[in-house]
Amino acid sequence: DIQMTQSPSFLSASVGDRVTINCKASQNINKYLNWYQQKLGEAPKRLIYNTNNLQTGIPSRFSGSGSGTDYTLTISSLQPEDFATYFCLQHNSFPGTFGAGTKLELK
Amino acid sequence: EVQLVESGGGLVQPGRSMKLSCAASGFTFSNYGMAWVRQAPTKGLEWVATISYDGSSTYYRDSVKGRFTISRDNAKSTLYLQMNSLRSEDTATYYCTRDGGFAYWGQGTLVTVSS
Repeated sequence: DIQMTQSPSFLSASVGDRVTINCKASQNINKYLNWYQQKLGEAPKRLIYNTNNLQTGIPSRFSGSGSGTDYTLTISSLQPEDFATYFCLQHNSFPGTFGAGTKLELK
Repeated sequence: EVQLVESGGGLVQPGRSMKLSCAASGFTFSNYGMAWVRQAPTKGLEWVATISYDGSSTYYRDSVKGRFTISRDNAKSTLYLQMNSLRSEDTATYYCTRDGGFAYWGQGTLVTVSS
């Protein structure tokens, strides 16, 4: 299985900050990389699919980039509702595998 | 609107069985493969099992092979996960998700395996 290494595990930031979260795959995943937001007790919500495609209804402050083995989620200006856990998923190879998650906390 | 609603979780003793259900709506269920993904407390997510759109093909992670069975009833738009010989390490929130991009997820159902 492809291993996904996500960093950082925890991130402390303020409203208005620009933050980046990274995922590194153990092999090339051909941009089949999704990003999700998860809040306590809620279903995961897909933000970005296939590296840089914004899910319908997701604000444009969320963006994704990357290729090969290295991928990044950027939130350009944090809003209060963005404090949550984020994780990546590769679905290039079966089975899909996940990053361990990044908990984004209010500083 | 796509909705996936899991049910059937709870407290179960080691070695016993439990069956989870996932009721789907808002899309043509019979057109899509479906999957179960779980998340142990304070841990990351891991794929558990996948079933093809027609139920003809199933796939499992090694740690649940021979113990878990994924199935579906397309007439009822419902996905199932039969879990036998449960172990403490199966304790997790179980999510159903639509395969092919994992775009939609349910809210999860908690399974606790403990004596």
